[in-house]
Amino acid sequence: GQNIDQPTEMTATEGAIVQINCTYQTSGFNGLFWYQQHAGEAPTFLSYNVLDGLEEKGRFSSFLSRSKGYSYLLLKELQMKDSASYLCAVSDSNYQLIWGAGTKLIIKP
Amino acid sequence: IAGITQAPTSQILAAGRRMTLRCTQDMRHNAMYWYRQDLGLGLRLIHYSNTAGTTGKGEVPDGYSVSRANTDDFPLTLASAVPSQTSVYFCASSPGTSSGANVLTFGAGSRLTVL
Repeated sequence: GQNIDQPTEMTATEGAIVQINCTYQTSGFNGLFWYQQHAGEAPTFLSYNVLDGLEEKGRFSSFLSRSKGYSYLLLKELQMKDSASYLCAVSDSNYQLIWGAGTKLIIKP
Repeated sequence: IAGITQAPTSQILAAGRRMTLRCTQDMRHNAMYWYRQDLGLGLRLIHYSNTAGTTGKGEVPDGYSVSRANTDDFPLTLASAVPSQTSVYFCASSPGTSSGANVLTFGAGSRLTVL
């Protein structure tokens, strides 16, 4: 079966760095996405990786290792507004998105 | 403002009633999707449409139907609501269905409670 695993909840301190991991087992791979979802709101697109390596976008970076079925989202210089759920999703062989349950990130002052 | 509009925002519904959730986008995206989101579970695809005039079943299609008469509109109908359909429903769209174009834009969601 297809499966996306990510931690349920993480806590970090304002100004620090946090890494949110995602492992996947899917039938085929056509890219990995990260979305941010604030409580009570819709998910919004953060990043897309299709080749191995690190993609940097401001305070956020996303890494992919296809051979290990692994990705992480790195958030630097954490701000209170970064408190949200972070959703990992993989595009499978049919270009359908398989979603993880999300990681709730709590930022403490 | 370009984007996706969903209606209603929230609804309480008696079991057995028929309900249609509306979704309209103005981005001229080809593909549209309906997801449900339940606590502790990932987004689950109900139905999708790769282009106007076509629809397909997702992971959890039972009890739901959709239509795609034109590019902009993609309504989701619950023919006879049951309590297990209590959820938050998100409509989404993307420019296409190939990997690089599969960045989804989501509507604000419709919170449905079935009693």
